[in-house]
Amino acid sequence: ETGVTQSPTHLIKTRGQQVTLRCSSQSGHNTVSWYQQALGQGPQFIFQYYREEENGRGNFPPRFSGLQFPNYSSELNVNALELDDSALYLCASGEGTGNYGYTFGSGTRLTVV
Amino acid sequence: AQTVTQSQPEMSVQEAETVTLSCTYDTSESDYYLFWYKQPPSRQMILVIRQEAYKQQNATENRFSVNFQKAAKSFSLKISDSQLGDAAMYFCAYTRANAGGTSYGKLTFGQGTILTVHP
Repeated sequence: ETGVTQSPTHLIKTRGQQVTLRCSSQSGHNTVSWYQQALGQGPQFIFQYYREEENGRGNFPPRFSGLQFPNYSSELNVNALELDDSALYLCASGEGTGNYGYTFGSGTRLTVV
Repeated sequence: AQTVTQSQPEMSVQEAETVTLSCTYDTSESDYYLFWYKQPPSRQMILVIRQEAYKQQNATENRFSVNFQKAAKSFSLKISDSQLGDAAMYFCAYTRANAGGTSYGKLTFGQGTILTVHP
């Protein structure tokens, strides 16, 4: 059983640029969620995909967008990067509602300069 | 909106001793799930234990157990026989149960408690 893998592990971008983060779900999982974790804080829900459809979104602006592919892997895209977007971005996968708990990846550390 | 509060920014414990981490939450839902996650320096969030709100029995996983007080909206984690590998940031998290329909498994996290284990 493979876990959740995220790429890249670290990334440095300039303000105003666009970035794409990638996530491979754990085998058998059809739900993927993305979270933003600022340093020393708890993760904040960005959005969730279930069977390729977005079915939940947190308080993030439209420049945060995503995709889920038929193999249930996922991308998080952020346009017009701002300094405050610097954070650890975590991907989590689960089965259906995720009530049995999600499996998290190790995250992508994004630094915006 | 649901909120999760962890009032202890940092806790420390001696190896082999017991420590309890506190968590309170606020929700108007009657059916939900609560979790404790551990985040070591490797950054990966690891599920420690899960509690279903409709079950009165407290969940236990080896050295980890919870004290779930639904009326008080309290969900504390007890770590027995603490080990050096338990040192990490611990997060309490909430998700509402789904009564069917579209899946919506948003996790709401607390601010975290840094646990230090002294040898």
